[in-house]
Amino acid sequence: DQQVKQNSPSLSVQEGRISILNCDYTNSMFDYFLWYKKYPAEGPTFLISISSIKDKNEDGRFTVFLNKSAKHLSLHIVPSQPGDSAVYFCSSLTGTASKLTFGTGTRLQVTL
Amino acid sequence: ETGVTQSPTHLIKTRGQQVTLRCSSQSGHNTVSWYQQALGQGPQFIFQYYREEENGRGNFPPRFSGLQFPNYSSELNVNALELDDSALYLCASSSQGRPEAFFGQGTRLTVV
Repeated sequence: DQQVKQNSPSLSVQEGRISILNCDYTNSMFDYFLWYKKYPAEGPTFLISISSIKDKNEDGRFTVFLNKSAKHLSLHIVPSQPGDSAVYFCSSLTGTASKLTFGTGTRLQVTL
Repeated sequence: ETGVTQSPTHLIKTRGQQVTLRCSSQSGHNTVSWYQQALGQGPQFIFQYYREEENGRGNFPPRFSGLQFPNYSSELNVNALELDDSALYLCASSSQGRPEAFFGQGTRLTVV
């Protein structure tokens, strides 16, 4: 079974700087990784995904890097903005049932 | 285009009771998944429905059941509620062949 680990429960970054959120996984059998952002009292919002055959995907201020040999991926946000303050979840997508396996999340706070 | 909507937003039930949560999927999406998010954790996959049939199930007991209707809306039913069922229940809709799932705002269930 896939396990997704986000070992940093929280991260504080100054506005305008780069935010780097990290994620590790245990099982190489996956189709995609997806990052979601969650504000309090709202459902998770899809941010960006990366397929298993790529090592980088970029969308505006968001870039995800995938290092398959290290079983590690990271989400870079640059420049960070106060509105980026939220909990970020890393998730893997596996199999025909499109089951998402989530990490425990990292709370990002972007300070002025 | 309408997003994923869930009802009710909050619910309080007594241990042993039964509950039904509802979800309307995003326009054009034919797949619905349900997740349970306990406090401080990432969402956990309960099950998925595609074309009105269960298409994958997570590690949840049979008292968690569901339905998908011809208009792709869905219900999650939980029988014999336990205190540990207190959580945020999230519905997500997606299209077959696309990795990203789009979440509703969730139903906060409290079992007392």
